[in-house]
Amino acid sequence: GAVVSQHPSRVICKSGTSVKIECRSLDFQATTMFWYRQFPKQSLMLMATSNEGSKATYEQGVEKDKFLINHASLTLSTLTVTSAHPEDSSFYICSARDWAGAQETQYFGPGTRLLVL
Amino acid sequence: SQQGEEDPQALSIQEGENATMNCSYKTSINNLQWYRQNSGRGLVHLILIRSNEREKHSGRLRVTLDTSKKSSSLLITASRAADTASYFCATDDSNYKLTFGKGTLLTVNP
Repeated sequence: GAVVSQHPSRVICKSGTSVKIECRSLDFQATTMFWYRQFPKQSLMLMATSNEGSKATYEQGVEKDKFLINHASLTLSTLTVTSAHPEDSSFYICSARDWAGAQETQYFGPGTRLLVL
Repeated sequence: SQQGEEDPQALSIQEGENATMNCSYKTSINNLQWYRQNSGRGLVHLILIRSNEREKHSGRLRVTLDTSKKSSSLLITASRAADTASYFCATDDSNYKLTFGKGTLLTVNP
């Protein structure tokens, strides 16, 4: 089946630094990827839709200058948390739609746990 | 607004019993999907049911959809300890954006 990877799986950083998270579709091409954030014992909240070759679409309340998204190729999207603060500590999950497959199905990465000290 | 609200929030059963989780939503949908998440892990897609379908089966899973009531249910039959996880429903609008519910934490005791 389709596989989506994320790197790193977990990261600890100091407040004020920036952290980049990669999301890769390993065996399929994805014109669209999605970034979600999940706080402990809560549901996933969609942050933004990442479109290959164009600007990401952010959900209401998500700061685009703080959460920079780059979808540079059909298999890679990156999320950069700029000037991270402790309240940004969360579980970040990406998903990707298979361009050639069933459009409704999203394949999820294993997630990246971010801890900002 | 929150789409896809599951109940119960937590469910504890014995191995071999059936587990039923419900999901309600508010707006019209293209399809509804159920996902499973083990603690601290990513999501695993379980089953998708389209808005024109009423019931779907996959192994020990049975999903129903009632668009008139804007609700869905996930039934896991003959549960196993390995089924212990959080289960989320997610509604898919016409733009393929998923909106997740709060989830049901299922604990299956051996």
